[in-house]
Amino acid sequence: GAGVSQSPSNKVTEKGKDVELRCDPISGHTALYWYRQSLGQGLEFLIYFQGNSAPDKSGLPSDRFSAERTGGSVSTLTIQRTQQEDSAVYLCASSMGGGFVEQYFGPGTRLTVT
Amino acid sequence: AQKVTQAQTEISVVEKEDVTLDCVYETRDTTYYLFWYKQPPSGELVFLIRRNSFDEQNEISGRYSWNFQKSTSSFNFTITASQVVDSAVYFCALSEANNNAGNMLTFGGGTRLMVKP
Repeated sequence: GAGVSQSPSNKVTEKGKDVELRCDPISGHTALYWYRQSLGQGLEFLIYFQGNSAPDKSGLPSDRFSAERTGGSVSTLTIQRTQQEDSAVYLCASSMGGGFVEQYFGPGTRLTVT
Repeated sequence: AQKVTQAQTEISVVEKEDVTLDCVYETRDTTYYLFWYKQPPSGELVFLIRRNSFDEQNEISGRYSWNFQKSTSSFNFTITASQVVDSAVYFCALSEANNNAGNMLTFGGGTRLMVKP
């Protein structure tokens, strides 16, 4: 079946602009995760959704970052007033939820802020 | 707080050699899961294995094997008779139960494996 998909695959934006990153999880997966992979910080957790709810947003790097999930499916990660340090690969993963189950990752969105 | 350490940042071997990737973790929880993921040059993280904290039985899958030892907080990964296609970055990860963060993964820094023909 279809895996996790993310769009766009690459995004180049100017500093100060807003960007939206999209994630389509595997159908039926109730849990959705966003991570960020950068050279300096490695792979870091950003936010988790169970259904449409994100219980804790403290993993988001700053208040310029926000995320939402609608219909228990698609999620968007929005970065406002982008900065150069936001440049990274943003990865989305989904899992069946309800316990300790493996997460399946999308191909990521490579964000470059110039 | 949880932590995963992969001390080997880069390993280079010649095809057909065996190679072991080390992973050491820290956690205060008694219930947790450990994972290995592969990230080939294409960039997508590929799930390889999950082990829970109550099952220390070693696992073998083809040329891959995993050794989980709670006494040393280690979860090492061995590739037997390595092949060029095994070249990738390998990540070890830890997941604890967390109501607010689900089963978020804490990753190690990764080990880049280069298999030369």
